[in-house]
Amino acid sequence: SYELTQPPSVSVSPGQTARITCSGNAMPDQSAYWYQQKPGQAPVIVIYKDSERPSGIPERFSGSSSGTTVTLTISGVQAEDEADYYCQSSDSSSTYWVFGGGTKLTVL
Amino acid sequence: QLQLQESGPGLVKPSETLSLTCSVSGGSINSNNFYWGWIRQTPGKGLEWIASIHYGGRIYFNPSLKSRVTVSVDTSKNQFSLNLSSATAADTALYFCARHGDVLRFLGFDYWGQGTLVTVSS
Repeated sequence: SYELTQPPSVSVSPGQTARITCSGNAMPDQSAYWYQQKPGQAPVIVIYKDSERPSGIPERFSGSSSGTTVTLTISGVQAEDEADYYCQSSDSSSTYWVFGGGTKLTVL
Repeated sequence: QLQLQESGPGLVKPSETLSLTCSVSGGSINSNNFYWGWIRQTPGKGLEWIASIHYGGRIYFNPSLKSRVTVSVDTSKNQFSLNLSSATAADTALYFCARHGDVLRFLGFDYWGQGTLVTVSS
């Protein structure tokens, strides 16, 4: 089965830049998506198609892709950004959707 | 504003079938452009996509669960449903329903229900 790999945790101080990576063999050919999940809530999409930001998502959230790795970057991190972040993509079939294991972002 | 709401038993006995329904409001399930999916979340395995269905009947399955999963759509009630047979403790999870675009217009899972916790235990 296809797997996406994320670091379990990332910690940053307020105002700094947080970078969360996600790796998968099919990434060069498939788009990536990022979700933010706060405790007791459903995930919310913050980045789609590698780098597009849905309406209502702050500009400090951005995404990029390079080879088999995609990166979610949060510039000027705020306390409210503390959450779990999940990447999502698909395998080469484009009809098997997979999530990464999640990264807990801690704002120190 | 589109809203999704999961419903179903919170407790299922081992070997029985786990059945959930997702009610859609604020929009029609009869849309050519969208699929309606099920995703579950466990502490150990994180988020796991289970299956997605189009109102026209096309279904995509997670291969690891396909043999036990049935999904269906009831357009008259604007609902879709999940049945997971032969449930075990490993199926204990928070189950979400969510919407996504079709394969050529996939923009992620853009609307989610709040989730419903299902425990498999005798």
